[in-house]
Order: sequence, then structure tokens, then C-alpha cells
Amino acid sequence: SQTIHQWPATLVQPVGSPLSLECTVEGTSNPNLYWYRQAAGRGLQLLFYSVGIGQISSEVPQNLSASRPQDRQFILSSKKLLLSDSGFYLCAWVPRGGYEGAEAFFGQGTRLTVV
Amino acid sequence: KNEVEQSPQNLTAQEGEFITINCSYSVGISALHWLQQHPGGGIVSLFMLSSGKKKHGRLIATINIQEKHSSLHITASHPRDSAVYICAATFIIQGAQKLVFGQGTRLTINP
Repeated sequence: SQTIHQWPATLVQPVGSPLSLECTVEGTSNPNLYWYRQAAGRGLQLLFYSVGIGQISSEVPQNLSASRPQDRQFILSSKKLLLSDSGFYLCAWVPRGGYEGAEAFFGQGTRLTVV
Repeated sequence: KNEVEQSPQNLTAQEGEFITINCSYSVGISALHWLQQHPGGGIVSLFMLSSGKKKHGRLIATINIQEKHSSLHITASHPRDSAVYICAATFIIQGAQKLVFGQGTRLTINP
């Protein structure tokens, strides 16, 4: 079956510390993968998306980076966290192919608090 | 301008009322999703549709491709329906599928 795993669920990190959030998918190959952030009281903003290994597109300039070392693994990172990086981070994937009606799958999200 | 626009941003209603949340998108899509987000942040996929109408229990989702518009309806609303409802659209851009979220509608159903 098709599933998506995202961890950790919650994270409290000091300012200036590094960050690594991981997302993996199962039951598919060559998916389109996405990282979103939701600041308090705001909507979900697309940060990065990836159409294949090593292929990352960035939507907004920020303190974060993304990598896709394997087909079904998507990692969100930061070398030094800022207070403004606090928020809810969500990983999602859409099956490749562009066929009509492609379903989307969502991780459980990570609530990051930078202190 | 966001590629996916939702309205209203906030909606408060009494238990039993019929609820409608609207979603408009800017260009052609391959799929439109309706999602539900509860206070803890977790997101549940309610519907995925590319044409017509889908129904699940008291929830109904419709889409009009020509007008680039979708609606989510809740019949006989209940306080447990209180959540943020999010519309998301999958666009095909330069061969890649881009999934874009609307800003969400915060729904509160009072008993």
C-alpha cells in the first residue's frame, strides 16, 4: 500500500542549531515530493518540490534547503535555525505521470519550535 | 497572487446549518483536493476530484472545470466538523506536478 512517513512529529531546537526533517514514501516509485511550511495562523506555503533524485526546485528564498538522496526520501535541512523558522512542516507526494486525477498523500507533519 | 484562492477565510455557524466553502484556481489543473486539518496539525484527505461531484457521508465536493471553481459542502453540520478546510490543486508545470494549497477556511460549528 502507498504510505508516507514523516518524522519527528514535534521538535524544539535552539536558535543557531541545525535541522534535519525526513520524509519517506512507500508503495510507489519516482514520486513528486513536496515540503510545505505553515506559520502560525497562516496557510501552507510550498517550500520545495522534487521530481527526481537530486532534482530540487525552491519556491521561496529562505534559510532552509532540501535534498533527495534516494528516490523515495526527501530531507529538509538547515545549517542554523532562526526564530522565524518555527512552524508546522508538512511533506507530501503525488504519483508521477500527470494522469488526470492524481491523488496526493500527506505526512503527519512536524511542529518545529525554535527557541 | 496565490494560484489557489479560498473563501471565506473564517466561517462560524450553528449546528445543523448547511456549510459551503469555495475554492478558485488560476489555471488548468490535473486534480483538486479537499483536506481537513485539525488543531494538532495533522491533515486528512477528504476528496480528490478532477470533474463532477463526490459525496461521502455529510460531505459533498463539486468542481466546475470551465469556471475553475470547486465547492465543499457540509450538510447537517456538527461541532465535530470544526476544523480548517483546505483546498489544494495539482498543476502540471513544465512536466512537473506542482501541488499548491489554498489559505484554508477555519470553520467553527457552535452547538
